[in-house]
Amino acid sequence: AQSVTQPDIHITVSEGASLELRCNYSYGATPYLFWYVQSPGQGLQLLLKYFSGDTLVQGIKGFEAEFKRSQSSFNLRKPSVHWSDAAEYFCAVGVRNQGGKLIFGQGTELSVKP
Amino acid sequence: NAGVMQNPRHLVRRRGQEARLRCSPMKGHSHVYWYRQLPEEGLKFMVYLQKENIIDESGMPKERFSAEFPKEGPSILRIQQVVRGDSAAYFCASSPSGHPDEQYFGPGTRLTVT
Repeated sequence: AQSVTQPDIHITVSEGASLELRCNYSYGATPYLFWYVQSPGQGLQLLLKYFSGDTLVQGIKGFEAEFKRSQSSFNLRKPSVHWSDAAEYFCAVGVRNQGGKLIFGQGTELSVKP
Repeated sequence: NAGVMQNPRHLVRRRGQEARLRCSPMKGHSHVYWYRQLPEEGLKFMVYLQKENIIDESGMPKERFSAEFPKEGPSILRIQQVVRGDSAAYFCASSPSGHPDEQYFGPGTRLTVT
């Protein structure tokens, strides 16, 4: 069965520091992979997505993610975090041939220290 | 083009009452997905509908929950005889194609059962 694991429930980084959020997935074929961000009390905003091709994908707000098939990972990175990046981040797998439903990880809450 | 609309944004129900959550997809979108986010958890897929048809309800609880997407009007997620454990945020997403890379999320309905 497909699954997504985000090992870190909560991460705190200093403003200006680099960030990496981990995501591991279990899927039988090349997956569709997504990162979403959720601010408190809000809906989900798509940061970036990967289907095929270049394994390093660029997203909005200065985020990027790298697909590593050998590690079944799709980690999210940002070189310099801003206080406004504090939010909950979700990694998701899109299931092909099953109507496109998304399977989400548990989420990583990011706090940013001044 | 207006985004996905959900109403109400907040809903309070007493145990045993019924909750009706509405989702108006983006214009031109005929595919709707419902997800539930329990406190401190990620989003879990519930049901996928196309106009007048339930395509995948594999994530729906077996009892008390139902969903519809009529030919005219919004999609409705109905929860009968609510219990405290139904307290959660319910998100819908719409898509023009049923493809995982084209899901647009609404702001969610936060249901509180007292």
